[in-house]
Amino acid sequence: EVQLVESGGGFVQPGGSLRLSCAASGFTFSNFWMHWVRQPPGKGLVWVSRIHTDGTTNYADSVKGRFTISRDNAKNTLYLQMNSLRAEDTALYYCVREASGDWLDSWGQGTLVTVSS
Amino acid sequence: SYVLTQSPSVSVAPGQTARITCGGNDIGRKSVHWYQQKPGQAPVLAVYDDSDRPSGIPERFAGSNSGNTATLTISRVEAGDEADYYCQVWDSSSEVVFGGGTKLTVL
Repeated sequence: EVQLVESGGGFVQPGGSLRLSCAASGFTFSNFWMHWVRQPPGKGLVWVSRIHTDGTTNYADSVKGRFTISRDNAKNTLYLQMNSLRAEDTALYYCVREASGDWLDSWGQGTLVTVSS
Repeated sequence: SYVLTQSPSVSVAPGQTARITCGGNDIGRKSVHWYQQKPGQAPVLAVYDDSDRPSGIPERFAGSNSGNTATLTISRVEAGDEADYYCQVWDSSSEVVFGGGTKLTVL
């Protein structure tokens, strides 16, 4: 069974940093592209970033230059380093697996990030 | 960047058919995927590649895509189908794009 378990969320002041982690199990992690998707409270889904199996990355314009996605295939873990956090980054952050055909087939339960003074 | 437009809400009585639309410029040329999100839960893939269903998704869920509109049709709606539904495509700039979501209310 595919499992994605996020951690690392919390409360941080504007301008601060957080590092999210996602522990993957139940599949060969290194073979799949992985994503972070966020959902602000009471709002819709917003794509954040993607990392390919070869380490190539893509980012939404809203986080480019502030967030860094990475992966450790030996530890079956996905990361999101978030710097220069803003109030509008407040959201539930989901770790998501991309299926071979570009749809998002497995989602974690999310970790909540709150940016506030 | 590419924009997907969904109606904020759809209401339907139990046993009836719900149609949830997703509009986008020439969306018929793209593969559309649909996600169901029940309150307090993570999204679940409901339909992929316009009209395919993952295992575990009832046959009552059907997708179509043509022209500027993709549609998720839920037949014989049940109370348990009440959820937010999101459409998703890939943008040419290698980004994932979600629609704003549609809240399905079962009356």
